[in-house]
Amino acid sequence: AQSVTQLDSHVSVSEGTPVLLRCNYSSSYSPSLFWYVQHPNKGLQLLLKYTSAATLVKGINGFEAEFKKSETSFHLTKPSAHMSDAAEYFCVVGGKGGYNKLIFGAGTRLAVHP
Amino acid sequence: GAGVSQSPSNKVTEKGKDVELRCDPISGHTALYWYRQRLGQGLEFLIYFQGNSAPDKSGLPSDRFSAERTGGSVSTLTIQRTQQEDSAVYLCASSLGGSGANVLTFGAGSRLTVL
Repeated sequence: AQSVTQLDSHVSVSEGTPVLLRCNYSSSYSPSLFWYVQHPNKGLQLLLKYTSAATLVKGINGFEAEFKKSETSFHLTKPSAHMSDAAEYFCVVGGKGGYNKLIFGAGTRLAVHP
Repeated sequence: GAGVSQSPSNKVTEKGKDVELRCDPISGHTALYWYRQRLGQGLEFLIYFQGNSAPDKSGLPSDRFSAERTGGSVSTLTIQRTQQEDSAVYLCASSLGGSGANVLTFGAGSRLTVL
């Protein structure tokens, strides 16, 4: 069975400061992991994905995430927040081969203040 | 098409009425998913199609919910005798295959309001 937990429902940062959105997963096999972003009144967009290549994954808009198997974590980071980063972020766990239902976390709402 | 298209974008209905939500996936995408997103919450899986068959419909909340897919393309999600708790955004996504490593492309969603 798979599950994903986003540890913070809301994160607030100042523009120009680092962003950390935390995600822990549970999977009985080596997972695929994703981060999706949902801007207000817009569709979900893929930020980045991990599928067992490099453990540090770089995504769009300066975001990156590191897969840490020992900690079962896949935290999303960005060195310097921009106002346009304000959105809802979802951590997602899936499988590898064959069909595996993608499980979405509850989401973390990121607010960026001037 | 270029993206996943969903219609209607907004639907307001009265309690007890039936509604149909349509999803037109990206051409060539064999896998199609329906999710539900209630206000302020994460995505709740409803059903997965591979081609025209639905190997995983474990997320359908009740027998009032059904979905079909024809021609390996368009899918329709039907909610019968709608209830107020059905109010949500219904999201459709498609991907090249059903592997958990595949990236989903989402539509903009159909916002359903049940009065």
